Amino acid sequence: GESVGLHLPTLSVQEGDNSIINCAYSNSASDYFIWYKQESGKGPQFIIDIRSNMDKRQGQRVTVLLNKTVKHLSLQIAATQPGDSAVYFCAENLYNQGGKLIFGQGTELSVKP
Amino acid sequence: DAGVIQSPRHEVTEMGQEVTLRCKPISGHNSLFWYRQTMMRGLELLIYFNNNVPIDDSGMPEDRFSAKMPNASFSTLKIQPSEPRDSAVYFCASSSQYGYTFGSGTRLTVV
Repeated sequence: GESVGLHLPTLSVQEGDNSIINCAYSNSASDYFIWYKQESGKGPQFIIDIRSNMDKRQGQRVTVLLNKTVKHLSLQIAATQPGDSAVYFCAENLYNQGGKLIFGQGTELSVKP
Repeated sequence: DAGVIQSPRHEVTEMGQEVTLRCKPISGHNSLFWYRQTMMRGLELLIYFNNNVPIDDSGMPEDRFSAKMPNASFSTLKIQPSEPRDSAVYFCASSSQYGYTFGSGTRLTVV
């Protein structure tokens, strides 16, 4: 079946360190993935996306890596800041099902000053 | 652009009462999604519309739940009758070819 899940439910890092959040998916036909950030009391906010024809994509302080061989996705945040504290979700965008998003369980990132 | 607008932000109701959640998508977005978020089950897709037409309602938990989209600028999610296990945060999202935008959600508490 289809599922998107996260390896670690919580992650605590020191301010200034790099953070790595992991995600596994099971549908080998998935071709588009998105990372979202959700702060308390708010809806999920788009961070970065990647298509299956790419292995890596970089944004501002964030990098997403895709390993299709082991069906693994990661989000790297450089120089983590207190404002990065939030829950991070990976999501699988099912284009062949009308573009609906299937979310993983989420990882809570806590940044210590 | 005001983004996706949901109302109310918070709703507390008694078991058995009817609850209506509202959503105004971003103008020009042709798809609208209703999600429910709980600690136990995470973010679950309930139903989505494309060009105001319901496409997939397989995530709607029971017949107590219904959703409508009478026009491109408005959608409702109704629960009748409500039960304590319906307590959750309900998110509306709209999308175009350029991506998704979520609303701030409605926190529903059924007592």
